This record gives sequence, C-alpha cells and structure tokens, in this order.
Amino acid sequence: EDQVTQSPEALRLQEGESSSLNCSYTVSGLRGLFWYRQDPGKGPEFLFTLYSAGEEKEKERLKATLTKKESFLHITAPKPEDSATYLCAVETYGGATNKLIFGTGTLLAVQP
Amino acid sequence: GAVVSQHPSRVICKSGTSVKIECRSLDFQATTMFWYRQFPKQSLMLMATSNEGSKATYEQGVEKDKFLINHASLTLSTLTVTSAHPEDSSFYICSATRTSGGDYNEQFFGPGTRLTVL
Repeated sequence: EDQVTQSPEALRLQEGESSSLNCSYTVSGLRGLFWYRQDPGKGPEFLFTLYSAGEEKEKERLKATLTKKESFLHITAPKPEDSATYLCAVETYGGATNKLIFGTGTLLAVQP
Repeated sequence: GAVVSQHPSRVICKSGTSVKIECRSLDFQATTMFWYRQFPKQSLMLMATSNEGSKATYEQGVEKDKFLINHASLTLSTLTVTSAHPEDSSFYICSATRTSGGDYNEQFFGPGTRLTVL
C-alpha cells in the first residue's frame, strides 16, 4: 500500500534557526512529490514539485530535495511568517492520474 | 494565475438539509477537479475525482449518493452534501489541475469551505 509519512509532527524554531522537515514515502512508482503550505482555515498553497531523485528546488528561504525514499524541506533562517503546516503529497504511476496521497503534515511554529 | 475559488467559505446548516459547495478555476480550464475533506489536525483525505462531462470517481468508503458531484464545465465543479448530519461537519477543499506542459499537471487548491451541521 502506498504511504506517505512526515516527521516531525510539530516543530518549534527560534527565528533564524534553520532546520529540515522530512517526508518519507513508500510507493509503487513515484510520478511526482509535492510540497504545500497550509495556513489555519485555508487551503494548501503550492510550493514545489519534484519528479526525480537528486532534484532540488528553491524558493526564498525554502529548499526541497528528493531521494528515492524521501524528501526534505529545508528552511533557512526562518521568520515568524513561515509558521504554518507543511504538507507533503505523492502522485503515483499506479494510481489515477493526478491523484495525490497526502502525509499528515508538520506544524511549524517560528518564534521571534 | 492558477486561482481556484470556493463558495461559500463557511456554512452552518441544520441536520437533514442539503448544502451545495461550488469550486471554480478562475483563470484556467481544469481537466480534473478533486474534492477533499479535512478533519481538525488531520491531513487531506481525497473524497472523489471529478472530470468534466463524466461521472465522478469516488474513493472507497465515500457514499456517492450522499456526496453528489457535478462537473458542469471545465471551470466549475459542485459538491452537494445531501441530508447533512453533524458527523459531516468538516473542512471541504477542492483542487483543480492545470496542464503545465509535457506529461505533468499542476494541482491548485481552493481556500476551503467550513461546514458545520447543527
């Protein structure tokens, strides 16, 4: 069965304290891995898509990387406005096109 | 670009009534739309996949007669929760896919609809 696991469940950082969020996946065939940011009471906001092992993408203080088993979302010198839940999702070749399987998310809190 | 809207953003209804939620892709045509449900502090659970002009595909355990989906056009899908009960109270989120070129599609989410059934 395809599975997506995110860790930690929650992370509290001081402003400027860099860290990484993990997304481990077990799937029959990875078509793509997606990172989203979700603020309370809002829908997920698209951040990155990664398609193959070794791929990296960056956006401001965020950098996403992908291996054959997991993905990391690195947050460099975070600011309080980076506080949100970060969701990881995978799309598989075995499933319906564009169907995403989500992890349970990491709740990030950045304190000033 | 790639904006998805939902209406209403919040709805409170009495038990036994039906509620319709609209999902629109504002600046692109969506080949496929998805409906998710999210309970507090949990992740998104896919309910159904909606393709324009065809019947929706429901995930296991989701009652198709309770959650009616209509995909009227390439920019509009509706979810109707029929005979709603308190256990249907949840955050309903839609998403729409946009072809980004080649074999890959991007999926964009709406802002969600908070349903509370009294």
